[in-house]
Amino acid sequence: QKEVEQNSGPLSVPEGAIASLNCTYSDRGSQSFFWYRQYSGKSPELIMSIYSNGDKEDGRFTAQLNKASQYVSLLIRDSQPSDSATYLCAVNREGGYNKLIFGAGTRLAVHP
Amino acid sequence: SAVISQKPSRDICQRGTSLTIQCQVDSQVTMMFWYRQQPGQSLTLIATANQGSEATYESGFVIDKFPISRPNLTFSTLTVSNMSPEDSSIYLCSVEEIRGEGYTFGSGTRLTVV
Repeated sequence: QKEVEQNSGPLSVPEGAIASLNCTYSDRGSQSFFWYRQYSGKSPELIMSIYSNGDKEDGRFTAQLNKASQYVSLLIRDSQPSDSATYLCAVNREGGYNKLIFGAGTRLAVHP
Repeated sequence: SAVISQKPSRDICQRGTSLTIQCQVDSQVTMMFWYRQQPGQSLTLIATANQGSEATYESGFVIDKFPISRPNLTFSTLTVSNMSPEDSSIYLCSVEEIRGEGYTFGSGTRLTVV
C-alpha cells in the first residue's frame, strides 16, 4: 500500500463547475496535510494546508480532512481553465524529523 | 515564505559524468530536502540534509550515488554521480517553512543524461 494515494486522472470538468480531488493516506499518526499545484514544467506551489478535522476554506479552494477515515480532499469552486494542472496531495510524515511524502498527483483539466 | 535559488535550471550531461546541483535559501533553515521527479511521475524524496551531520537517505537512494553537502544553514548541494540515462529527471530542493506552514520548493533542475 502506498503511503499517499490519489487517482491519477485526468479529471475533466467544465469551466465554472466544482472540481473534487481526493487523497487517502496510510500513516494514522500523520498530523499535517498539504495540497500543491504543479503546472507543467514548473515546481510545486502550495495552495492549501490543513491540520484539523473538518473544512478549511481559502477563496475558491476548500480542503477537507477526516483523520478517522484517513482522507483528505480539495474542492475547487468555479473552476477556471487556469486551474488546469496536476494537484499533488502531500502528507507530513512525523517522528524523528518531518518529511513530506507525495501522492502520485491528479491531473485536472478545466475546459471552456 | 522562503525564497530558494536553485541552479543550474537545466543541463544535458554525458553518461558516466557527475553533476552538482546547488540550492541557496534566503533564510536559515534546519532541514533541507532533495526530491526527484521522473518524467510523468510525482516527487520522491531522496534525502534530508541537516547542517552539521550526514544526510539521511530514503530507501533506494545511497550516498555514493547522491552525495549531499550542507555546509551551513542556507546552502546545500546534491551531486548526481556516474550518471546514466535513468537519472534523467527533475531534481528539486525544498525547505520547511517556519511555523510549519508547508514546504517551499526551488525552481528545479531538469537533467537529461545522454
